Amino acid sequence: DAKTTQPPSMDCAEGRAANLPCNHSTISGNEYVYWYRQIHSQGPQYIIHGLKNNETNEMASLIITEDRKSSTLILPHATLRDTAVYYCIVRPRGSQGNLIFGKGTKLSVKP
Amino acid sequence: GAGVSQSPSNKVTEKGKDVELRCDPISGHTALYWYRQRLGQGLEFLIYFQGNSAPDKSGLPSDRFSAERTGESVSTLTIQRTQQEDSAVYLCASSLVPGLAVTDTQYFGPGTRLTVL
Repeated sequence: DAKTTQPPSMDCAEGRAANLPCNHSTISGNEYVYWYRQIHSQGPQYIIHGLKNNETNEMASLIITEDRKSSTLILPHATLRDTAVYYCIVRPRGSQGNLIFGKGTKLSVKP
Repeated sequence: GAGVSQSPSNKVTEKGKDVELRCDPISGHTALYWYRQRLGQGLEFLIYFQGNSAPDKSGLPSDRFSAERTGESVSTLTIQRTQQEDSAVYLCASSLVPGLAVTDTQYFGPGTRLTVL
Protein backbone atom coordinates (compact mmCIF):
# COMPACT_ATOMS: atom_id res chain seq x y z
CA ASP A 1 0.00 0.00 0.00
CA ALA A 2 1.18 3.53 -0.76
CA LYS A 3 2.77 5.46 2.09
CA THR A 4 0.86 8.38 3.59
CA THR A 5 2.10 11.37 5.54
CA GLN A 6 -0.03 13.25 8.05
CA PRO A 7 0.76 15.97 10.59
CA PRO A 8 1.03 14.47 14.07
CA SER A 9 -1.45 16.84 15.67
CA MET A 10 -3.90 19.66 14.98
CA ASP A 11 -6.22 21.84 17.00
CA CYS A 12 -9.62 23.10 15.94
CA ALA A 13 -12.14 25.36 17.63
CA GLU A 14 -15.53 23.86 18.32
CA GLY A 15 -18.03 24.72 15.60
CA ARG A 16 -15.34 25.51 13.04
CA ALA A 17 -14.33 23.34 10.11
CA ALA A 18 -11.50 20.91 10.72
CA ASN A 19 -9.33 20.33 7.66
CA LEU A 20 -7.02 17.34 7.99
CA PRO A 21 -4.40 16.94 5.26
CA CYS A 22 -2.81 13.77 3.96
CA ASN A 23 0.01 13.38 1.45
CA HIS A 24 0.13 10.24 -0.67
CA SER A 25 2.47 11.22 -3.48
CA THR A 26 3.20 7.63 -4.53
CA ILE A 27 -0.44 6.64 -4.90
CA SER A 28 -1.18 4.53 -7.95
CA GLY A 29 -4.16 4.73 -10.26
CA ASN A 30 -6.16 1.93 -8.67
CA GLU A 31 -5.67 2.96 -5.06
CA TYR A 32 -8.45 4.42 -2.98
CA VAL A 33 -7.99 6.92 -0.16
CA TYR A 34 -9.69 5.86 3.08
CA TRP A 35 -10.13 7.77 6.30
CA TYR A 36 -10.73 6.19 9.68
CA ARG A 37 -10.68 7.72 13.14
CA GLN A 38 -10.18 6.36 16.61
CA ILE A 39 -11.78 8.08 19.53
CA HIS A 40 -10.07 7.40 22.84
CA SER A 41 -10.80 3.91 24.20
CA GLN A 42 -12.87 2.91 21.18
CA GLY A 43 -12.21 0.84 18.07
CA PRO A 44 -11.40 2.63 14.80
CA GLN A 45 -14.39 4.00 12.91
CA TYR A 46 -14.70 4.23 9.14
CA ILE A 47 -15.37 7.76 7.93
CA ILE A 48 -15.19 8.00 4.16
CA HIS A 49 -13.27 6.88 1.10
CA GLY A 50 -12.73 8.06 -2.46
CA LEU A 51 -10.82 7.40 -5.66
CA LYS A 52 -10.55 10.67 -7.55
CA ASN A 53 -13.80 12.55 -7.16
CA ASN A 54 -14.65 14.53 -4.07
CA GLU A 55 -16.95 12.65 -1.73
CA THR A 56 -19.36 13.71 0.99
CA ASN A 57 -21.35 11.77 3.52
CA GLU A 58 -23.08 12.50 6.79
CA MET A 59 -19.79 12.53 8.67
CA ALA A 60 -17.35 14.40 6.45
CA SER A 61 -16.17 15.51 3.04
CA LEU A 62 -13.12 14.22 1.22
CA ILE A 63 -11.32 16.47 -1.22
CA ILE A 64 -8.75 14.75 -3.46
CA THR A 65 -6.42 16.86 -5.57
CA GLU A 66 -6.53 16.44 -9.32
CA ASP A 67 -3.14 14.70 -9.37
CA ARG A 68 -4.33 12.53 -6.44
CA LYS A 69 -1.10 13.10 -4.54
CA SER A 70 -2.87 14.59 -1.56
CA SER A 71 -6.26 14.81 0.04
CA THR A 72 -8.06 16.68 2.78
CA LEU A 73 -10.68 15.37 5.16
CA ILE A 74 -13.12 18.08 6.18
CA LEU A 75 -15.30 17.97 9.25
CA PRO A 76 -17.56 20.94 8.52
CA HIS A 77 -18.61 21.81 12.08
CA ALA A 78 -16.29 20.11 14.52
CA THR A 79 -17.63 19.16 17.94
CA LEU A 80 -15.81 18.07 21.09
CA ARG A 81 -16.80 14.49 20.23
CA ASP A 82 -14.71 14.71 17.06
CA THR A 83 -11.54 14.74 19.16
CA ALA A 84 -9.74 11.61 17.95
CA VAL A 85 -6.79 10.27 15.98
CA TYR A 86 -7.53 10.42 12.25
CA TYR A 87 -5.89 7.94 9.91
CA CYS A 88 -5.45 8.31 6.16
CA ILE A 89 -4.90 4.98 4.39
CA VAL A 90 -4.47 4.23 0.68
CA ARG A 91 -5.43 0.83 -0.58
CA PRO A 92 -5.81 -0.81 -3.99
CA ARG A 93 -9.24 -1.54 -5.38
CA GLY A 94 -10.29 -5.01 -4.39
CA SER A 95 -7.35 -5.55 -2.06
CA GLN A 96 -7.71 -8.00 0.75
CA GLY A 97 -6.18 -8.31 4.15
CA ASN A 98 -5.33 -6.08 7.02
CA LEU A 99 -5.32 -2.31 7.07
CA ILE A 100 -1.99 -0.68 7.79
CA PHE A 101 -2.48 2.21 10.16
CA GLY A 102 0.21 4.87 10.38
CA LYS A 103 0.50 7.31 13.25
CA GLY A 104 -2.38 9.51 12.08
CA THR A 105 -3.25 13.02 13.15
CA LYS A 106 -4.38 13.69 16.69
CA LEU A 107 -7.20 16.24 16.31
CA SER A 108 -8.10 18.16 19.44
CA VAL A 109 -11.35 20.11 19.25
CA LYS A 110 -11.36 22.84 21.85
CA PRO A 111 -14.30 24.81 23.29
CA GLY B 1 -28.15 -3.20 11.94
CA ALA B 2 -25.91 -4.54 14.67
CA GLY B 3 -22.25 -3.78 14.47
CA VAL B 4 -19.28 -5.91 15.40
CA SER B 5 -19.48 -7.06 19.00
CA GLN B 6 -16.73 -8.36 21.23
CA SER B 7 -16.69 -10.01 24.61
CA PRO B 8 -15.65 -9.62 27.27
CA SER B 9 -15.11 -5.88 27.21
CA ASN B 10 -12.48 -6.20 29.91
CA LYS B 11 -10.45 -9.17 31.05
CA VAL B 12 -7.97 -9.29 33.89
CA THR B 13 -5.93 -12.46 34.20
CA GLU B 14 -2.85 -13.73 35.92
CA LYS B 15 0.38 -14.42 34.12
CA GLY B 16 0.47 -17.96 32.78
CA LYS B 17 -3.30 -18.38 32.43
CA ASP B 18 -5.07 -18.93 29.11
CA VAL B 19 -7.68 -16.46 27.83
CA GLU B 20 -10.31 -16.59 25.11
CA LEU B 21 -11.63 -13.49 23.41
CA ARG B 22 -14.76 -13.55 21.29
CA CYS B 23 -15.80 -11.59 18.20
CA ASP B 24 -19.21 -11.56 16.52
CA PRO B 25 -18.88 -9.95 13.08
CA ILE B 26 -21.56 -8.09 11.19
CA SER B 27 -23.97 -10.58 9.65
CA GLY B 28 -23.04 -11.34 6.05
CA HIS B 29 -19.46 -10.17 6.38
CA THR B 30 -17.16 -12.91 5.15
CA ALA B 31 -13.88 -11.32 6.17
CA LEU B 32 -12.81 -11.05 9.80
CA TYR B 33 -9.68 -9.49 11.25
CA TRP B 34 -7.99 -9.41 14.63
CA TYR B 35 -5.70 -6.55 15.62
CA ARG B 36 -3.88 -5.67 18.82
CA GLN B 37 -3.25 -2.20 20.21
CA ARG B 38 -0.89 -1.70 23.11
CA LEU B 39 -1.29 1.38 25.24
CA GLY B 40 -0.35 4.48 23.28
CA GLN B 41 0.64 2.46 20.24
CA GLY B 42 -0.77 1.84 16.79
CA LEU B 43 -2.75 -1.14 15.61
CA GLU B 44 -0.88 -4.37 14.95
CA PHE B 45 -2.42 -6.91 12.61
CA LEU B 46 -2.74 -10.41 14.05
CA ILE B 47 -4.83 -12.67 11.80
CA TYR B 48 -7.30 -12.51 8.92
CA PHE B 49 -10.07 -14.93 7.92
CA GLN B 50 -11.75 -14.83 4.53
CA GLY B 51 -14.51 -17.33 3.84
CA ASN B 52 -13.22 -20.88 3.61
CA SER B 53 -9.70 -19.87 2.68
CA ALA B 54 -6.78 -20.66 4.95
CA PRO B 55 -6.40 -17.78 7.40
CA ASP B 56 -3.54 -15.33 7.10
CA LYS B 57 -1.71 -15.85 10.37
CA SER B 58 1.30 -13.77 9.47
CA GLY B 59 0.74 -11.26 12.25
CA LEU B 60 0.50 -13.67 15.17
CA PRO B 61 3.42 -12.79 17.48
CA SER B 62 4.04 -16.28 18.85
CA ASP B 63 2.65 -19.80 18.93
CA ARG B 64 0.86 -18.91 22.14
CA PHE B 65 -1.64 -17.04 19.97
CA SER B 66 -4.25 -18.86 17.91
CA ALA B 67 -7.65 -18.06 16.46
CA GLU B 68 -10.58 -19.98 15.11
CA ARG B 69 -13.61 -19.00 13.14
CA THR B 70 -16.84 -20.94 12.81
CA GLY B 71 -17.88 -20.67 9.18
CA GLU B 72 -18.54 -17.02 8.46
CA SER B 73 -19.63 -16.31 11.99
CA VAL B 74 -18.08 -15.94 15.40
CA SER B 75 -14.33 -16.01 15.97
CA THR B 76 -12.32 -16.67 19.09
CA LEU B 77 -8.78 -15.52 19.74
CA THR B 78 -6.95 -17.66 22.29
CA ILE B 79 -3.82 -16.64 24.11
CA GLN B 80 -2.13 -19.41 26.04
CA ARG B 81 0.19 -18.91 28.99
CA THR B 82 -0.38 -15.18 28.99
CA GLN B 83 2.52 -12.82 29.60
CA GLN B 84 2.48 -9.26 30.81
CA GLU B 85 3.46 -8.02 27.37
CA ASP B 86 0.17 -9.44 26.06
CA SER B 87 -1.66 -6.66 27.89
CA ALA B 88 -3.41 -4.64 25.19
CA VAL B 89 -6.74 -3.91 23.58
CA TYR B 90 -7.66 -6.66 21.14
CA LEU B 91 -9.79 -5.36 18.29
CA CYS B 92 -11.86 -7.33 15.83
CA ALA B 93 -13.10 -6.02 12.49
CA SER B 94 -15.21 -7.44 9.68
CA SER B 95 -15.87 -6.54 6.07
CA LEU B 96 -17.88 -7.68 3.08
CA VAL B 97 -16.27 -9.86 0.46
CA PRO B 98 -13.12 -8.13 -0.74
CA GLY B 99 -11.37 -9.08 -3.93
CA LEU B 100 -13.87 -8.24 -6.60
CA ALA B 101 -15.59 -5.73 -4.40
CA VAL B 102 -14.74 -2.11 -5.02
CA THR B 103 -13.89 -1.60 -1.41
CA ASP B 104 -13.58 -3.67 1.70
CA THR B 105 -14.39 -1.13 4.36
CA GLN B 106 -13.60 -2.64 7.72
CA TYR B 107 -15.93 -2.12 10.65
CA PHE B 108 -14.41 -2.46 14.08
CA GLY B 109 -15.76 -3.70 17.35
CA PRO B 110 -15.22 -1.90 20.66
CA GLY B 111 -12.34 -4.16 21.62
CA THR B 112 -11.44 -6.31 24.60
CA ARG B 113 -9.05 -4.73 27.08
CA LEU B 114 -6.77 -7.49 28.37
CA THR B 115 -4.69 -6.91 31.47
CA VAL B 116 -2.18 -9.57 32.49
CA LEU B 117 -1.01 -9.18 36.06
